[in-house]
Amino acid sequence: NAGVTQTPKFQVLKTGQSMTLQCAQDMNHNSMYWYRQDPGMGLRLIYYSASEGTTDKGEVPNGYNVSRLNKREFSLRLESAAPSQTSVYFCASSAGTGHRFWVPGTEAFFGQGTRLTVV
Amino acid sequence: GEDVEQSLFLSVREGDSSVINCTYTDSSSTYLYWYKQEPGAGLQLLTYIFSNMDMKQDQRLTVLLNKKDKHLSLRIADTQTGDSAIYFCAEGNAGKSTFGDGTTLTVKP
Repeated sequence: NAGVTQTPKFQVLKTGQSMTLQCAQDMNHNSMYWYRQDPGMGLRLIYYSASEGTTDKGEVPNGYNVSRLNKREFSLRLESAAPSQTSVYFCASSAGTGHRFWVPGTEAFFGQGTRLTVV
Repeated sequence: GEDVEQSLFLSVREGDSSVINCTYTDSSSTYLYWYKQEPGAGLQLLTYIFSNMDMKQDQRLTVLLNKKDKHLSLRIADTQTGDSAIYFCAEGNAGKSTFGDGTTLTVKP
């Protein structure tokens, strides 16, 4: 099915371990985003990429790195996981180049989420 | 900073109306909108309203905006079990969108 695919769906890490969350979209979208969802904090933007080869920091980038490998894929890397990074992570993509998520045609398409626990 | 707040849970009976409330803080928000997340799926755009509007109706959905109080609500008429989902309130302007925590709507038969 067309859409945004994230892997893995669940992951448990030990403090200090590293891992990469993968995200791919098959809608030929320009922009891709990584969010984290924590109770009481809403969805917070970690990084986004307006086009292949460009990335920009969002609201909470510390402790993360990203890579826009090609137009389809946008990965999020935790180099040294910390318990504060326990969260649900969502990848999203949009046909637009910004954050105009209210506009049909440039709305954000979200993946199913990755539930990450750091112990 | 900007903030969007919603109640976390709402439970209604099938056939009743559901009202999900949201407050926001950013007075420069141009658009207010709602996303829906069904079980096991990603978020999807449900509806939106421009900040100079008071109300928008789309079939069973009614969005009400009180700009003075920075209060947004989503009313679902004749709620069905298929409406059970998490509803995210969000605000946006030219350069940024901010999402709330989401309200889990449970519809009981």
